[in-house]
Amino acid sequence: SQKIEQNSEALNIQEGKTATLTCNYTNYSPAYLQWYRQDPGRGPVFLLLIRENEKEKRKERLKVTFDTTLKQSLFHITASQPADSATYLCALDSNYQLIWGAGTKLIIKP
Amino acid sequence: DAGVIQSPRHEVTEMGQEVTLRCKPISGHNSLFWYRQTMMRGLELLIYFNNNVPIDDSGMPEDRFSAKMPNASFSTLKIQPSEPRDSAVYFCASSLDRGSSPLHFGNGTRLTVT
Repeated sequence: SQKIEQNSEALNIQEGKTATLTCNYTNYSPAYLQWYRQDPGRGPVFLLLIRENEKEKRKERLKVTFDTTLKQSLFHITASQPADSATYLCALDSNYQLIWGAGTKLIIKP
Repeated sequence: DAGVIQSPRHEVTEMGQEVTLRCKPISGHNSLFWYRQTMMRGLELLIYFNNNVPIDDSGMPEDRFSAKMPNASFSTLKIQPSEPRDSAVYFCASSLDRGSSPLHFGNGTRLTVT
């Protein structure tokens, strides 16, 4: 069956360290994958898109990797700050629709 | 740009009542999506429109749910009659096109059906 999985438990990281979130999928062959941030009571906000032919994408302190062999995307936040605390969702393309992971709650402790 | 605007932000209603959720997408965006989010099931696509035309409504749970997009700047999601299991946060999102364009979400409507 088709599945997309993110760390189900909250991730606690010390301020200033690098936070790494994982998105694994099975039985999909996505042309691209997107990462979103969601704060309580708000809708998801787009962060980054990475295509199947791209290994890595960066935006300021954010970095996303995409390994189509491992069927995995990693999302990194370097020099993490308490303001980075939120739930992060990955979404992959499947026939022009986005299939969403359940999200990982990230907590950055000062 | 005001972003995607949804109303109401909160809706509490009794089982059996009709509920109408409203959405104004970002001007110039051709695709509009209605999602439902719950703790158990995460984000689920209910329906999406392209150029005001419903393209895929396979996510609509049953005939009690209906959605319309009479013009490029307005869409509604209606539940009639509502049931307690419909309680969730409903999001509207828009994007430039059907492809890889990022989705821009509204802040959602929290629906509680008692």
